[in-house]
Amino acid sequence: DIQMTQSPSTLSASVGDRVTITCRASQSISTWLAWYQQKPGKAPKLLIYMASSLESGVPSRFSGSGSGTEFTLTISSLQPDDFASYYCQQYNSYSQTFGQGTKVEIK
Amino acid sequence: QVQLVQSGAEVKKPGASVKVSCKASGYTFTAYGISWVRQAPGQGLEWMGWISAYNGNTNYAQKFQGRVTMTTDPSTSTVYMELRSLRSDDTAVYYCAREEAYGGSYLSYWGQGTLVTVSS
Repeated sequence: DIQMTQSPSTLSASVGDRVTITCRASQSISTWLAWYQQKPGKAPKLLIYMASSLESGVPSRFSGSGSGTEFTLTISSLQPDDFASYYCQQYNSYSQTFGQGTKVEIK
Repeated sequence: QVQLVQSGAEVKKPGASVKVSCKASGYTFTAYGISWVRQAPGQGLEWMGWISAYNGNTNYAQKFQGRVTMTTDPSTSTVYMELRSLRSDDTAVYYCAREEAYGGSYLSYWGQGTLVTVSS
């Protein structure tokens, strides 16, 4: 199975900060990568698919980049609603896998 | 609008089975597959497997092979996930989610989750 490694596991930031989360795949997955946001007690919400395509209705401060084995999710100016956990997901192989998650906390 | 509505919380004893349902509405049921993802308390997301609502083809994560069965009922637009031989570490919230492409894809719509508690 393809392993996905996210970093950092926890990130402390302030409103207005630029935030970057990294996801590394154990082998090339082209651009078959998605990012999700999850708040406590809620289902995950799709933010980005195909590594860099913004899901409809998602604010433009979210962006994704990368291909092959290294990917990033960037929040250009962190807003109060963005404090949550974020997960990457690869869907290159017939068996999907998620990263272990990154929790974005208030500094 | 697309909705996935899951069945309610379950409490099971070790060794028992659980069957969780996921009723779809707002789209053509057979046009999309459904994945099941679980989340243990305080932990990350774990993909369990996928079923095509078109032809019933399945693909299960190796970890769950032999212990999970996913089925569909097109007459009611419902997908089912049965997990057998439950253990305490199966305690988790189980989500169904719609796949955007056949055989594996990103998940754009999610159910509300079903808490399954395994305890003696």
